[in-house]
Amino acid sequence: EAGVAQSPRYKIIEKRQSVAFWCNPISGHATLYWYQQILGQGPKLLIQFQNNGVVDDSQLPKDRFSAERLKGVDSTLKIQPAKLEDSAVYLCASSSPFRTAVRDSQEASGNTIYFGEGSWLTVV
Amino acid sequence: AQKITQTQPGMFVQEKEAVTLDCTYDTSDQSYGLFWYKQPSSGEMIFLIYQGSYDEQNATEGRYSLNFQKARKSANLVISASQLGDSAMYFCAMRTGGFKTIFGAGTRLFVKA
Repeated sequence: EAGVAQSPRYKIIEKRQSVAFWCNPISGHATLYWYQQILGQGPKLLIQFQNNGVVDDSQLPKDRFSAERLKGVDSTLKIQPAKLEDSAVYLCASSSPFRTAVRDSQEASGNTIYFGEGSWLTVV
Repeated sequence: AQKITQTQPGMFVQEKEAVTLDCTYDTSDQSYGLFWYKQPSSGEMIFLIYQGSYDEQNATEGRYSLNFQKARKSANLVISASQLGDSAMYFCAMRTGGFKTIFGAGTRLFVKA
């Protein structure tokens, strides 16, 4: 089974330029997440999709960040214009719909959130 | 409001000994799941273990076990027989019935030879 695919892996841009990151989740996963992870910190949820609808984007800086998942499969995260403080790793992740009552580890694994390798952004 | 707290920025453990990484959470949801992830210096996020809020038994996966104390809202990770390869950042995360998933600030574990 293919994992979560992200591109590009690395990007260096100047401030005020724009950048776009692409993510293809694991086949069949309805939930897709974009996280921002600044060096030394935990991942911060930017936006979460359930199929092609937005579940949560409360921490997405909407004046400069945008994300879409038009067909409910792959997704694009855009930053325009970039600031120095946007330098971070942008992690895409996916999962199946959440089930709390599970009987065994195989069912529990269905709740697991799988991450891509991340897209490392440096803004100079 | 939902929150994950990891109070240990860094931990040291001697190789072959056990170590406990602390995690407390706050949510008003009755249905939720708790996760632990490992992040080595390469940056990938590796899933370790999952505990559902209705699970009566503590989850175990090989050398990893989750000490789930629901009344105290804690979900500590126990790593037995530490290995040098366990040196990494460890993140506790919570997923609620509203599908939102949040992470703690992480604990950096150093395993000494």
